[in-house]
Amino acid sequence: RKEVEQDPGPFNVPEGATVAFNCTYSNSASQSFFWYRQDCRKEPKLLMSVYSSGNEDGRFTAQLNRASQYISLLIRDSKLSDSATYLCVVNIGLKQLTFGSGTQLTVLP
Amino acid sequence: DTEVTQTPKHLVMGMTNKKSLKCEQHMGHRAMYWYKQKAKKPPELMFVYSYEKLSINESVPSRFSPECPNSSLLNLHLHALQPEDSALYLCASSQDRARDTGELFFGEGSRLTVL
Repeated sequence: RKEVEQDPGPFNVPEGATVAFNCTYSNSASQSFFWYRQDCRKEPKLLMSVYSSGNEDGRFTAQLNRASQYISLLIRDSKLSDSATYLCVVNIGLKQLTFGSGTQLTVLP
Repeated sequence: DTEVTQTPKHLVMGMTNKKSLKCEQHMGHRAMYWYKQKAKKPPELMFVYSYEKLSINESVPSRFSPECPNSSLLNLHLHALQPEDSALYLCASSQDRARDTGELFFGEGSRLTVL
């Protein structure tokens, strides 16, 4: 089983739609969780950290479920500029980040 | 614009060549990383330097040789590569692995093609 698993997509949604991505992790000792965004042929960039109580940043909401070992990212009112690959990233100890395989999102006009 | 600078942006080399990839950051970060990324795959960790010392080598073949001359610079020396080594090589830095916030700052990458 992969340490961090994501649905690869692709997710094709119309502008204005709400879309959610899930990510599961296998190591129950994982300590911290993040969503990164990677545009086509660009470097990954941190989108947001994921806190135990859930957190929101504008149209983006991240949630963590430690019991079920998954994290989620919800994007409301999708914009064309949200089209990218979203990478789930987990710190599995030894201060080492493990990347999921990414979920590709295309927002259509 | 990224604050981690990588050169060259593109590199084509033969299997017998020796070349180097360079990475520079001036954010005062004490941890630096090399990742390899193939198309439609996530970045794979290769090496981690913490306070200019190699702290993680993810069983990378010896044809890849990292070097950290100082806290701002990270090199990746390439020798006798194989065509399957063609990929995007990403350099990243973070403030301090001991206080890891999870925020890695990536360079734009060096796209390597091995013929």
